[in-house]
Parts: sequence; structure tokens; C-alpha cells
Amino acid sequence: SAVISQKPSRDICQRGTSLTIQCQVDSQVTMMFWYRQQPGQSLTLIATANQGSEATYESGFVIDKFPISRPNLTFSTLTVSNMSPEDSSIYLCSVVTGQIYNEQFFGPGTRLTVL
Amino acid sequence: QKEVEQDPGPLSVPEGAIVSLNCTYSNSAFQYFMWYRQYSRKGPELLMYTYSSGNKEDGRFTAQVDKSSKYISLFIRDSQPSDSATYLCAMPHMEYGNKLVFGAGTILRVKS
Repeated sequence: SAVISQKPSRDICQRGTSLTIQCQVDSQVTMMFWYRQQPGQSLTLIATANQGSEATYESGFVIDKFPISRPNLTFSTLTVSNMSPEDSSIYLCSVVTGQIYNEQFFGPGTRLTVL
Repeated sequence: QKEVEQDPGPLSVPEGAIVSLNCTYSNSAFQYFMWYRQYSRKGPELLMYTYSSGNKEDGRFTAQVDKSSKYISLFIRDSQPSDSATYLCAMPHMEYGNKLVFGAGTILRVKS
């Protein structure tokens, strides 16, 4: 497994502002992902964070709204841009650590509230 | 129709009961089946995963897959209040880079 930390753990933001969420892993990982979990709902994949190249976004998510960086094999950021109350959610990063691709481990999440 | 269906509950049981959590899926291409546990205000934690059909046991937890019925189950024996959490089933979508498809999650409450 891997130890994953996220910053901030929670934040309350004003409409129209942006927030950058950091994900740090204690070891090099093969893949990193960003998910959203809206209140009372399951997890929805936002994008795959690719090291050294542009992220791969899922249907319904765009780079202008959710820019992602992954400068190395242990760190990634997700920015939620021009926020609205509909962006209030828990944002989670997850990683795949090695050869067993389907073992995905999640960070503790960032709880975002937009007023 | 969602690819993965899971009753959101909540499911409330007394301490010591056997708990059965279930998911159905529609895509016959799914080969791996995972169960995650998520405590309140925490990220999901991988509990178990199985490949293809059959059973897999780990302590008080047993995962069961019936591919002919497209039905998976997680059984918890001797349930404890500390098992109170949301349980999510998930399956990697082989046709789309192993992207995980999650069920809605079942809220479990074990009463002492």
C-alpha cells in the first residue's frame, strides 16, 4: 500500500475563486487519479494525472475547470477553478502502486464547501 | 441503466449479525471485483478484491462472485460497531484503461 496525504483537508471558499488541492504519496506510483464524491453519492472519476504530460479527462470534466499537474511520480495537484456552489464536494486522489493494477488506494479527501 | 447497481441502504443490524452486502452489474467484461470500506470523513479503503467467479475469505469478510448472474456479495460475520461504514463495490473497466466504476455504496450501521 501507500501513504497518501492531501492538503487542505477541508476549505470553505467564495463563489468565483479557485482552490488548488495537493496530493502527496510516500513512494513512487505508476498512476494517480482524481475523483469527486458529491454529498451522499458515489465516486466519479475526474481525470487521470499523467506524469509530465496533460491529464486525461473523463466525459463531463474539462481542463479549464479542473487543471491538473503531476510534475513527478509522487505528487499531483488538482485546481477547482471559478467555483460555484455545485462544486461543493469531497475531492479524492488515488494511486496505483505497482504491478497489481487494480489495487487502487485513496487519500483522505478534501472537503470543499463553496458559498 | 447504471453499469453497477448497489442499494444505498442504510442497513441497520445488531452486533454479532451476519451482514450481506450486494451489487449487480451489467457489463459481462468485468473480471475483477473490489470492495472498499469508507468511514465517515475518510477516503475509501480497499478491503478485498477477487478475480472472476468464486469466493475469497479474509478474516470475518468473505467476497463472493457469481458471474453467471452478474452478482457480487460481501459477507461480514460477527459484525461489530466498528464495521459501521459505507461499503462500495467497484469494478475496473478493462475497455477504458481499467477505470474503476463504483456502485453507489451501502451505508451499514451495526448497533451495540
